[in-house]
Amino acid sequence: NAGVTQTPKFQVLKTGQSMTLQCAQDMNHEYMSWYRQDPGMGLRLIHYSVGAGITDQGEVPNGYNVSRSTTEDFPLRLLSAAPSQTSVYFCASQGFSGNTIYFGEGSWLTVV
Amino acid sequence: KQEVTQIPAALSVPEGENLVLNCSFTDSAIYNLQWFRQDPGKGLTSLLLIQSSQREQTSGRLNASLDKSSGRSTLYIAASQPGDSATYLCAPGGSARQLTFGSGTQLTVLP
Repeated sequence: NAGVTQTPKFQVLKTGQSMTLQCAQDMNHEYMSWYRQDPGMGLRLIHYSVGAGITDQGEVPNGYNVSRSTTEDFPLRLLSAAPSQTSVYFCASQGFSGNTIYFGEGSWLTVV
Repeated sequence: KQEVTQIPAALSVPEGENLVLNCSFTDSAIYNLQWFRQDPGKGLTSLLLIQSSQREQTSGRLNASLDKSSGRSTLYIAASQPGDSATYLCAPGGSARQLTFGSGTQLTVLP
């Protein structure tokens, strides 16, 4: 049981490039979310999903795109990277009736 | 919009002390509230989850309470140890299990 797997763990991008952060869970969880963590600002919700085919915006969605074509996967796309998107990104999942929320180990992204 | 405040921002105590971390939130229409631990450069580990209908949860030396009506939660750590040193995050959860995090309390337990 791998839990929540995020890739890549580290990435350096140039301004204007696009990329996708991958998130996969093998627990058949309905709920998945993406957060970013910045110094002094805690974790902020980017996008979330309550099931395959359903996504919604969180607090800081601009510059990011998500889709949920399967229950297992919830990729986060950076459309045109900006230095302000330098951050640590965490993916999380939780089952409908479960209490435990599982976080991935994080993806460190630097945009230069 | 939910806003979460954690006090204090940092705390340094000698080993063995009992301590209380405070969390306040502005929107009482929450589904649950969770406390997390984060070690430097690492992900988040869930410590305790309190459902909106509950008043408290306990796990070992940790006890978390929830007063939803007043928008407050506390995390009590008994007999602190150096291994407890970490950042502790409070996060009330919405109906879609989306979390709003506080900025955390950075705890240092001195041997």
